[in-house]
Amino acid sequence: NAGVTQTPKFRVLKTGQSMTLLCAQDMNHEYMYWYRQDPGMGLRLIHYSVGEGTTAKGEVPDGYNVSRLKKQNFLLGLESAAPSQTSVYFCASSGEDWGQPQHFGDGTRLSIL
Amino acid sequence: GQNIDQPTEMTATEGAIVQINCTYQTSGFNGLFWYQQHAGEAPTFLSYNVLDGLEEKGRFSSFLSRSKGYSYLLLKELQMKDSASYLCAVRGIAAGNKLTFGGGTRVLVKP
Repeated sequence: NAGVTQTPKFRVLKTGQSMTLLCAQDMNHEYMYWYRQDPGMGLRLIHYSVGEGTTAKGEVPDGYNVSRLKKQNFLLGLESAAPSQTSVYFCASSGEDWGQPQHFGDGTRLSIL
Repeated sequence: GQNIDQPTEMTATEGAIVQINCTYQTSGFNGLFWYQQHAGEAPTFLSYNVLDGLEEKGRFSSFLSRSKGYSYLLLKELQMKDSASYLCAVRGIAAGNKLTFGGGTRVLVKP
């Protein structure tokens, strides 16, 4: 059981380039999330989705877009990368019940020069 | 909004006990989670508290006091592999089961 899979694992971009991070889960979870993690800042929610075809803004959504065309996939896009977006990005998913924890992917380490 | 505070770093000796405190102020509360994160890896779920009291899982226990906005994670019989960051996260009452995370506590276990 793969759980939550993120691709790619590492990427280096130049300022102004665009890219898409892919998250796939095989647990049939309704909810999916994108976080960024920076030193001393903890995990901060970028965008999330409560079901196929839905997306919503989190705490730090500026500069990012997302799409959830299929229940198992949640895509995070950077249209014009900036050095401030250098971070480790984590995708997570969870079921709908209150007590269910979020399950995390292994992360994508993104550097923007 | 939500504000979550936990110490930045703690050091303990192998075989000892360490208690990691977490305090929170929130406009709505629907549970508190603890996660473990080893360096360079994903966070993994440790415990969940929604009612006041102590939840025990082997060497790890978690306590919650909703009236005080306070939780702690207790790690007993520390092992070298317990060196990691421990993340406290609060779930609000809004739809989507969203979590707000504290900055994490880095625990270093020394021989």
